[in-house]
Amino acid sequence: DTGVSQDPRHKITKRGQNVTFRCDPISEHNRLYWYRQTLGQGPEFLTYFQNEAQLEKSRLLSDRFSAERPKGSFSTLEIQRTEQGDSAMYLCASSSLPQGSGYTFGSGTRLTVV
Amino acid sequence: AQSVTQLGSHVSVSEGALVLLRCNYSSSVPPYLFWYVQYPNQGLQLLLKYTTGATLVKGINGFEAEFKKSETSFHLTKPSAHMSDAAEYFCAVLDNDMRFGAGTRLTVKP
Repeated sequence: DTGVSQDPRHKITKRGQNVTFRCDPISEHNRLYWYRQTLGQGPEFLTYFQNEAQLEKSRLLSDRFSAERPKGSFSTLEIQRTEQGDSAMYLCASSSLPQGSGYTFGSGTRLTVV
Repeated sequence: AQSVTQLGSHVSVSEGALVLLRCNYSSSVPPYLFWYVQYPNQGLQLLLKYTTGATLVKGINGFEAEFKKSETSFHLTKPSAHMSDAAEYFCAVLDNDMRFGAGTRLTVKP
């Protein structure tokens, strides 16, 4: 297993367009997390899945954001009607239970909204 | 909710000097604590973690951290800094999900 993969690495989009990011977790990990990181800040939690169930969503996840993990494997994060404030690094992580093992992060998708 | 605070957004040390990055946590239950490192345009890499047991934990790249319950601290140290240690370091606490501090940027001067 090569770790957590995210695609694309970089995305530049015009304001108002929709974007979708993909995350492929480590295959044995049943939990998958999305975080957003802006410049000079720590990652902020967005949402997480256990298998295909979305168990928690942050208040940061406005109604323009939607995440799915349809078969309990890869996940997608879609942002509709992008705004300049959405520009950030979007990080995906996965973990197994028990949680004390920590998270394995992907390299992230850097979104720039122009 | 549990949280962490990192003291000092930027730390600069000379190569070969001691590295000390500070982290304090807030938790009503015994915490699970982590340190991650992030290089430019990369994801986060786990340096070390404290769950239970020994309060001094050793991680990769010569880093270690000590859990001090009385001080609610989990400071990260390395005896001798190397140029390759220059990066952003994040302390985190595991609640229902991982909660991160704002990060400390470590600069290593030759």
